[in-house]
Amino acid sequence: AQSVTQPDIHITVSEGASLELRCNYSYGATPYLFWYVQSPGQGLQLLLKYFSGDTLVQGIKGFEAEFKRSQSSFNLRKPSVHWSDAAEYFCAVGGKGTYKYIFGTGTRLKVLA
Amino acid sequence: DAGVIQSPRHEVTEMGQEVTLRCKPISGHNSLFWYRQTMMRGLELLIYFNNNVPIDDSGMPEDRFSAKMPNASFSTLKIQPSEPRDSAVYFCASSLDSGGPSYNEQFFGPGTRLTVL
Repeated sequence: AQSVTQPDIHITVSEGASLELRCNYSYGATPYLFWYVQSPGQGLQLLLKYFSGDTLVQGIKGFEAEFKRSQSSFNLRKPSVHWSDAAEYFCAVGGKGTYKYIFGTGTRLKVLA
Repeated sequence: DAGVIQSPRHEVTEMGQEVTLRCKPISGHNSLFWYRQTMMRGLELLIYFNNNVPIDDSGMPEDRFSAKMPNASFSTLKIQPSEPRDSAVYFCASSLDSGGPSYNEQFFGPGTRLTVL
């Protein structure tokens, strides 16, 4: 079955601390992987995506993610969190040539001043 | 660019009433998606249009749901009659399908929060 698991529903970090959000996926074909961010009252914005090649991908707002095929993971990281990063983060998986993507249930990030 | 526009942003209605959600995609985009977001099921694709034609409506939960795209700049999602279990946030997204095999980034609207009492 195709699925995306984000095991952490809520995460709280202090401003300036590092961040890692976990994402595990199950997909029958070569996966395309994505991280989106949703700020309160807003739609989803694409942070970064992985199709192939270098397994460490850089995105907007200082985020990066690493694809680990052996672990079926695509964890999102940021070395130093800013208060404006407080939002909900979604991991998603899809495949080549498909419009249909499977989203995780999201991780809500709280940042302490 | 104004981005994807959805209206209303919030809708509260009573069970049995008809609800219509509206979406204006980004100008020039030829693909449009309706999603539903709930705590229990996360973000689910309801229907996908390409060049105003419904391509995949397998995610539409039942006959009470219908969607139309009469032209490239407007789409509606209608629920009739509405039920409390339809309470959710409904997102519209659009993308430019270049016809190639690669992913075409979907741009999301702010969503409509629907509450059915």
